[in-house]
Amino acid sequence: QKEVEQDPGPLSVPEGAIVSLNCTYSNSAFQYFMWYRQYSRKGPELLMYTYSSGNKEDGRFTAQVDKSSKYISLFIRDSQPSDSATYLCAMRETGRTGGGNKLTFGTGTQLKVEL
Amino acid sequence: SAVISQKPSRDICQRGTSLTIQCQVDSQVTMMFWYRQQPGQSLTLIATANQGSEATYESGFVIDKFPISRPNLTFSTLTVSNMSPEDSSIYLCSGLRGGGYNEQFFGPGTRLTVL
Repeated sequence: QKEVEQDPGPLSVPEGAIVSLNCTYSNSAFQYFMWYRQYSRKGPELLMYTYSSGNKEDGRFTAQVDKSSKYISLFIRDSQPSDSATYLCAMRETGRTGGGNKLTFGTGTQLKVEL
Repeated sequence: SAVISQKPSRDICQRGTSLTIQCQVDSQVTMMFWYRQQPGQSLTLIATANQGSEATYESGFVIDKFPISRPNLTFSTLTVSNMSPEDSSIYLCSGLRGGGYNEQFFGPGTRLTVL
């Protein structure tokens, strides 16, 4: 079993739709949860970051973490064609430099928002 | 976040040769990492580049195959040695600053094809 599971998609939605992207994980020590967006032929860029359980909202994006279920989500409201990209979840145990700081990634979900 | 540049952006190499990838960050970072990203797979950490000392390699990666240097706080190189077609991948440099939640950011990647 992989430490982090993510549906690779592809996921195709019409413009304006609400998109839900999800990851599950097995390591209960994970405390920091991130979502990265990666456009084709570019490096990943940090989109959202959440510490422990709860919700965080930033514009059209909402990140949710449910540690009891080991489940994290990213919601995109009013999706736009410019949101078409691969979304990677990532998580780590600690915020300190050094041990436990290694990021573990999901495989990424490819999203396409169509006009 | 800081900006990372990588050289070359892409290369096509012959089997048995070596390629050195350069990574430059526009400001000092506490930690630097090298990742590999293969199609359909999650980002895999190759090693942590340590300033002025030997890199720390993850399971499955060895120094003879992937020698890494980090002479200062803003520069690192990764060499892919004695290449085979299985080394065809995207290689990503990443940086991490200390303090706060430690945002980890990525370079644009080097797309390597080995014939």
